[in-house]
Amino acid sequence: NAGVTQTPKFRILKIGQSMTLQCAQDMNHNYMYWYRQDPGMGLKLIYYSVGAGITDKGEVPNGYNVSRSTTEDFPLRLELAAPSQTSVYFCASSYSGGLSYEQYFGPGTRLTVT
Amino acid sequence: AQSVTQLDSHVSVSEGTPVLLRCNYSSSYSPSLFWYVQHPNKGLQLLLKYTSAATLVKGINGFEAEFKKSETSFHLTKPSAHMSDAAEYFCVVSDPLSGGYNKLIFGAGTRLAVHP
Repeated sequence: NAGVTQTPKFRILKIGQSMTLQCAQDMNHNYMYWYRQDPGMGLKLIYYSVGAGITDKGEVPNGYNVSRSTTEDFPLRLELAAPSQTSVYFCASSYSGGLSYEQYFGPGTRLTVT
Repeated sequence: AQSVTQLDSHVSVSEGTPVLLRCNYSSSYSPSLFWYVQHPNKGLQLLLKYTSAATLVKGINGFEAEFKKSETSFHLTKPSAHMSDAAEYFCVVSDPLSGGYNKLIFGAGTRLAVHP
């Protein structure tokens, strides 16, 4: 049971390039989330999904896209990278959307856009 | 709207001394509250959670937190710090108005340093 896995661990992009951050979970969780963490700040929600084929925007969705074709995978797409997207990105999953259900986090992807 | 404030951005203690990380929340409803820990270059791990049962919540690695509604606080404590406790700690509140998913609102974090 690997939990939540993310690839790559680190990436440097040039302005205007695109990339996909991969996220997978093997816990059969319906809910999945993408967060970004900027220095000295808490995590901000980018997008979330309540099940395969269903996604919705979080607090900071601009510049990102997601898809959820399977229960296990929830990739995050950056189309035109900008310096403001330099951050650490965390994927998470939870069994349910209920308030008491904890979210399980992946190890993160550290992205630098120059 | 829900919000959470971590009162200290950095806390430094000596090994073997008590740890206190302070968190205040703002909520119009009975909240669910969490403490997560993030070790360097790692993902976040749940330490403990409060979900309207016992007000004193015990978590992993000897940590505990007490929910005090009158003070709107959820401070994290540990009787005796260990070197391995050095990490970033996040106080988190669930937003019951999010409608459809478990929206988590994170504090800015407290970095705990433990000295020999």
